[in-house]
Amino acid sequence: RKEVEQDPGPFNVPEGATVAFNCTYSNSASQSFFWYRQDCRKEPKLLMSVYSSGNEDGRFTAQLNRASQYISLLIRDSKLSDSATYLCVVRGAAGNKLTFGGGTRVLVKP
Amino acid sequence: DVKVTQSSRYLVKRTGEKVFLECVQDMDHENMFWYRQDPGLGLRLIYFSYDVKMKEKGDIPEGYSVSREKKERFSLILESASTNQTSMYLCASNTGPDTQYFGPGTRLTVL
Repeated sequence: RKEVEQDPGPFNVPEGATVAFNCTYSNSASQSFFWYRQDCRKEPKLLMSVYSSGNEDGRFTAQLNRASQYISLLIRDSKLSDSATYLCVVRGAAGNKLTFGGGTRVLVKP
Repeated sequence: DVKVTQSSRYLVKRTGEKVFLECVQDMDHENMFWYRQDPGLGLRLIYFSYDVKMKEKGDIPEGYSVSREKKERFSLILESASTNQTSMYLCASNTGPDTQYFGPGTRLTVL
């Protein structure tokens, strides 16, 4: 089993719609959780950290469920510019090492 | 703004060649990382470094080595390139345990 698993998609989303997807992680001692965004042929960039209480940044909402060991990302009012691959990232119990999921591809269409 | 630069965006090498990938960051970050990214496999950590002259193996170090002689520079070396090392190579840096800043990547093709 992979340490961090994501549905690769693609999720085809009409412009203005809401899309949500999850990521599961296997190590219950994981400490920190993030969503990174990667545009086609570009480097990954931090989208948002995921806090235990859940957090929101504009149209983006991230949730953490420690009991079921998954995190989620919800995008409201999708824009064409939201088309990207969203990488789920987990930091383990010790050290600086991050483990990346394979990414979920989102395509927003007019 | 944090800037991480990589020496080449695209590189084509032949099997058996020695390949050097260079990464430089300008934010005085202690930590630097090398990943490779392949379709369906995501980013996988090759090596990382917490300080000058210090290195630690990541998840897939076989066939690679690294060098960190200066704080701002972290080099990835393929001693004898093979076709299965054709990939996108991404360098990253940070100063704490969380956010990593990535370079633009080097797409390496080994023929």
